[in-house]
Amino acid sequence: DADVTQTPRNRITKTGKRIMLECSQTKGHDRMYWYRQDPGLGLRLIYYSFDVKDINKGEISDGYSVSRQAQAKFSLSLESAIPNQTALYFCATSDPLWTSGTVQETQYFGPGTRLLVL
Amino acid sequence: RKEVEQDPGPFNVPEGATVAFNCTYSNSASQSFFWYRQDCRKEPKLLMSVYSSGNEDGRFTAQLNRASQYISLLIRDSKLSDSATYLCVVNFAGGTSYGKLTFGQGTILTVHP
Repeated sequence: DADVTQTPRNRITKTGKRIMLECSQTKGHDRMYWYRQDPGLGLRLIYYSFDVKDINKGEISDGYSVSRQAQAKFSLSLESAIPNQTALYFCATSDPLWTSGTVQETQYFGPGTRLLVL
Repeated sequence: RKEVEQDPGPFNVPEGATVAFNCTYSNSASQSFFWYRQDCRKEPKLLMSVYSSGNEDGRFTAQLNRASQYISLLIRDSKLSDSATYLCVVNFAGGTSYGKLTFGQGTILTVHP
């Protein structure tokens, strides 16, 4: 089974609808992230959470909200979807490794959710 | 100026070729550097970390030049399976920034027979 799962994998919705994307992980990591990917723009951070009680805005949080229900679960909501939120959404987890005064931190990504807002 | 910049390509090379990708970053306080690989319609996966002294993993060599704020990835003896998008990734260290990675837009590589 995959370590990081996302549901749904594909979703088509209409402008104004509320939609929730869910992410679950079995890696036991405290840190979780939500990104969106658009052609030519790369991955951009929406929200991140370093533990269950910690939620932080990323660079493009407007129009989105998140909920960290448990260490293993991190949900992203679009309260009122708009067409420019059409994108590929990735959830990721990480666990920092501190060595020789620096941090090495690999992020593990879920398979992504393709969202189309009409 | 983008925080992490890459030449988007695409790079089209024959099998067996050597190809190099470059990446520049704007924040001199950056601490950790990575190359991720993303196959079409798939999630990004870590290819290799980039260390100050440079490092090699099989056919892949990564270099870091902190003075020029420049990272490179060299692929030798390209294989068809190397076709993917290569993402340059930087961790801007300090305060609560640990763990917050900034991604370049990616460089597309196509290896043809």
